Amino acid sequence: KAGVTQTPRYLIKTRGQQVTLSCSPISGHRSVSWYQQTPGQGLQFLFEYFSETQRNKGNFPGRFSGRQFSNSRSEMNVSTLELGDSALYLCASSLEGHSYNSPLHFGNGTRLTVT
Amino acid sequence: AQSVTQPDIHITVSEGASLELRCNYSYGATPYLFWYVQSPGQGLQLLLKYFSGDTLVQGIKGFEAEFKRSQSSFNLRKPSVHWSDAAEYFCAVGAHGDAMRFGAGTRLTVKP
Repeated sequence: KAGVTQTPRYLIKTRGQQVTLSCSPISGHRSVSWYQQTPGQGLQFLFEYFSETQRNKGNFPGRFSGRQFSNSRSEMNVSTLELGDSALYLCASSLEGHSYNSPLHFGNGTRLTVT
Repeated sequence: AQSVTQPDIHITVSEGASLELRCNYSYGATPYLFWYVQSPGQGLQLLLKYFSGDTLVQGIKGFEAEFKRSQSSFNLRKPSVHWSDAAEYFCAVGAHGDAMRFGAGTRLTVKP
């Protein structure tokens, strides 16, 4: 069974631009979560989706948005990029309906660099 | 919301020595607790989890963790560290109605 797939692996963008990241969960997994990883900050929770509904949202500005499609694939979008948005963005899927009590399966991430 | 603290940013141990990585959580009820490992260039992998029952849980790669309610802790241990254990380790907590939250991570260096 294929793991969580994130595309693209690397992105370089300029301040003020917007970016869309994609995540395909493990087949059969319906819950998708997104995290931002930066050195010293660990993984900061962005969003959690289940059956196309946002279940939880982290403490990020409105420039960060996401969605989930009927096939469980998910995208996140960051508008008006800032230098501080440079990070590794991780997507994780879980088999259970909630991520809080189910092991997360992570993708390899998208490395975003904002210049 | 619940929170997780990993007090040690970086730990160095000699190969063959024992290891303990600390994790403290803040949550009113008993949370769901996890340890993940991120090896260089690889994605995060689940080491072990605690939901209820026996407070000492065994995981993969020879790791174990002990849940101590009185100390709000879930420390990760390994009796003898191998060079391949060098990685970053993340403690995570899940609570009903909220998403899984992660600590800032502890980077482990293994000396030959």
